[in-house]
Amino acid sequence: AQSVSQHNHHVILSEAASLELGCNYSYGGTVNLFWYVQYPGQHLQLLLKYFSGDPLVKGIKGFEAEFIKSKFSFNLRKPSVQWSDTAEYFCAVNGDYGQNFVFGPGTRLSVLP
Amino acid sequence: DSGVTQTPKHLITATGQRVTLRCSPRSGDLSVYWYQQSLDQGLQFLIQYYNGEERAKGNILERFSAQQFPDLHSELNLSSLELGDSALYFCASNRGGAKGEQYFGPGTRLTVT
Repeated sequence: AQSVSQHNHHVILSEAASLELGCNYSYGGTVNLFWYVQYPGQHLQLLLKYFSGDPLVKGIKGFEAEFIKSKFSFNLRKPSVQWSDTAEYFCAVNGDYGQNFVFGPGTRLSVLP
Repeated sequence: DSGVTQTPKHLITATGQRVTLRCSPRSGDLSVYWYQQSLDQGLQFLIQYYNGEERAKGNILERFSAQQFPDLHSELNLSSLELGDSALYFCASNRGGAKGEQYFGPGTRLTVT
């Protein structure tokens, strides 16, 4: 069965700390990978996406993610977090033939000022 | 603002009742996706419609149904409501391809008492 796991339920960091959120997936065939962010009280917004090519993808607001096919992973990183990055982060995957999206359970990030 | 609208914003109803949630996709988007977000289940894909036809089905209960109308807006019908149906229901839309980012609406918060 298709599934996405995220390593951490809740991460607490101080401003300027580096961030890495883990994401692993189980999905047959070619995959497309996404990271979405949900700021408090808002809808989900796309941070970045990977379809093919360079496994290191850059997104908005200084975020990047690396696709490691051998590890079925798509970890999200940011070198220096800000208080405004406090949000819930979701990793998602879908298949290349339009199969439905599968979202991970989410990781709540709290950045202390 | 993603361009996806959902009504109502909040809905409070009693067990056993039936409600209808409405979603208008972004202009030009043919696909509509419905998700349920709850604290214990995370973000669960329910169902996808493409240009009026059901394309993919996820963890949608038999008590729930959806449709997409010729003007491409979609409705999610929830019947015989139970306390456990209390959740945030999101609608998302995109052009329809697997590689397309999904644009999420603000959600409808359903409370079943």
